[in-house]
Amino acid sequence: DAGVTQSPTHLIKTRGQQVTLRCSPKSGHDTVSWYQQALGQGPQFIFQYYEEEERQRGNFPDRFSGHQFPNYSSELNVNALLLGDSALYLCASIQMGSYNEQFFGPGTRLTVL
Amino acid sequence: DAKTTQPTSMDCAEGRAANLPCNHSTISGNEYVYWYRQIHSQGPQYIIHGLKNNETNEMASLIITEDRKSSTLILPHATLRDTAVYYCIVRVLGQDFGNEKLTFGTGTRLTIIP
Repeated sequence: DAGVTQSPTHLIKTRGQQVTLRCSPKSGHDTVSWYQQALGQGPQFIFQYYEEEERQRGNFPDRFSGHQFPNYSSELNVNALLLGDSALYLCASIQMGSYNEQFFGPGTRLTVL
Repeated sequence: DAKTTQPTSMDCAEGRAANLPCNHSTISGNEYVYWYRQIHSQGPQYIIHGLKNNETNEMASLIITEDRKSSTLILPHATLRDTAVYYCIVRVLGQDFGNEKLTFGTGTRLTIIP
C-alpha cells in the first residue's frame, strides 16, 4: 500500500515564475492538506481540499491556489514566485470522518532564485 | 488551537529513555495532545495522542498531568533512528470530522548520542 506520494522531489524556479506541485493521497484517503515548511520552522497550514473544494485555508495570499481531482489527488499552484516561497512543501492526507492521524508525504523542496 | 511550549533541543544517550516535555497551559477541555516527529528531510510522522489518560503504543508513551497543562512524551529505549524534531500539538479532535488543520510550533530537536 503506497503512502502519500509527491512530485517532483526538488524544483528550482526563478522569481516571478509559476510552479505546480502534485500529491497523491494514501489509498482510501479523500482529504488532502498542504503545508509550507521554511528552513528551521515547523510546517504551516496552507489549505485543505475535500470533494474537490477548498474547505479550510491558512494565512497565505491568493498567489497560492490548489485543485483536487476526482481521484482525490491534488495540485498546489504558486504564482509570481518570491524568494520567500523557498521551502519544503508537504502534502498530508486523511479519510474524512476518520479519527486517525494524518499521513504526510516526503515533500517537494522548492528553491526560488 | 492552544499554543504549546517545548525546549528547543535535547540530547539523550542511546538505549536510555528520552523524555520530551511540552507545556500547554491554555488547553481547553475538548483539546487533545498530539505528538508528531520529523526525521531530517522527511514528512512528519504521527507518534501518539491523548486527552487526559496516559497512553502507550508501540512507539512511545504519553503522560499527561492531571490538570492537563503539560505532558511528556517518553521514548523508552532511544535509538539513533529516533534523532528527529518532535512536535507537540494540541487540537480539537473530530472538529468538522477530518477537517484537521495541524498547528505546528518549532518543536524539540532530539539528538540521540551513541
